[in-house]
Amino acid sequence: GAGVSQTPSNKVTEKGKYVELRCDPISGHTALYWYRQSLGQGPEFLIYFQGTGAADDSGLPNDRFFAVRPEGSVSTLKIQRTERGDSAVYLCASSLTGSGGSDTQYFGPGTRLTVL
Amino acid sequence: LAKTTQPISMDSYEGQEVNITCSHNNIATNDYITWYQQFPSQGPRFIIQGYKTKVTNEVASLFIPADRKSSTLSLPRVSLSDTAVYYCLVGDQGKDYGQNFVFGPGTRLSVLP
Repeated sequence: GAGVSQTPSNKVTEKGKYVELRCDPISGHTALYWYRQSLGQGPEFLIYFQGTGAADDSGLPNDRFFAVRPEGSVSTLKIQRTERGDSAVYLCASSLTGSGGSDTQYFGPGTRLTVL
Repeated sequence: LAKTTQPISMDSYEGQEVNITCSHNNIATNDYITWYQQFPSQGPRFIIQGYKTKVTNEVASLFIPADRKSSTLSLPRVSLSDTAVYYCLVGDQGKDYGQNFVFGPGTRLSVLP
């Protein structure tokens, strides 16, 4: 079946602009996760959804970052007033239940965001 | 703060067995151990997961001693295409996810011809 997809694959924007990054999880997966990854680093957790609600948003760096999942499927990560430091690869993952240590996350290919 | 410690890099040659050990001294009762592989310009890919003893699948084996304070990912007869970053994660995803399910810098495995 189809895996996690993310669009766009690349996004170049200017400092101060607003961007939206989209994630389509695996069908039927309840949990959805956003991470960002800088060069040479492991993925850094941003936010985790259980269904439509954000179960843990402790990783969002500041109030310029916001994410939604209105129907419990597709999610959008929104970044306002982008800064050069926001440049990174933004990864999305989904898992079947989001609970229990054995639940496996499946990652998308990521969106590479470049802020000029 | 990452709950795991693993080597930053390893080199190997084609056809050899590679063992990457991860330390997780503070592993909790409900925590599972999960390994991911990541190639450049791709998202991490699940390799194997275990709770205790030994787990084997078509790709790798995972050895977990009785005290569960460490685990070893074993890749049999590596090829050039196994060159990637390998992440060890320990956690119970449901509770306080952001604090409990943390990717460290991973182990960069280079397989040489």
